[in-house]
Amino acid sequence: DVKVTQSSRYLVKRTGEKVFLECVQDMDHENMFWYRQDPGLGLRLIYFSYDVKMKEKGDIPEGYSVSREKKERFSLILESASTNQTSMYLCASSLGRLARNTGELFFGEGSRLTVL
Amino acid sequence: GENVEQHPSTLSVQEGDSAVIKCTYSDSASNYFPWYKQELGKGPQLIIDIRSNVGEKKDQRIAVTLNKTAKHFSLHITETQPEDSAVYFCAAPEGYQKVTFGTGTKLQVIP
Repeated sequence: DVKVTQSSRYLVKRTGEKVFLECVQDMDHENMFWYRQDPGLGLRLIYFSYDVKMKEKGDIPEGYSVSREKKERFSLILESASTNQTSMYLCASSLGRLARNTGELFFGEGSRLTVL
Repeated sequence: GENVEQHPSTLSVQEGDSAVIKCTYSDSASNYFPWYKQELGKGPQLIIDIRSNVGEKKDQRIAVTLNKTAKHFSLHITETQPEDSAVYFCAAPEGYQKVTFGTGTKLQVIP
């Protein structure tokens, strides 16, 4: 079974702190994604990566950056956390570049971030 | 880009009744439509998908229908059970990597 592991289930940070959210997948997937989940807004794509050191902006990249130094690991970085970044963050991976055909995303269990 | 609308946002049904969730999409080029189920405290998980060369697909108590002309697709759950209670998301691809999700439907099955 594919396993996507997010390093922290719950985090509490203060405004202005730098925050790292780590995600690791164990199935050699090419694509990795970071989504943000908020009530009434569904899942919104922050950034995705289709290869090591490659990244693409999603729909809401402002205030975030990402790093993919190794194929299995995709990190989301909040350079200076703000209260409006309090949310559930979901990491996902998918098999290959042709997501249009293969489709299936495998999600981690989420990281709930609270910024005070 | 792709725009996916999902209705209703909440749905309560009696155990044993059917539940229907509807989604519309904007990109005519989309040809793959998955549905994800998110149980409490977990990440979403794929439960069924449909590709544009078919109009309906069934898997036990769940089915998905697709109308490409009208650009909408629906999830049907029959004989609902308490374990069907969850948040359901429809989705549509945009390009080769991106997947755009609907806003989600919270389904509550009342025993």
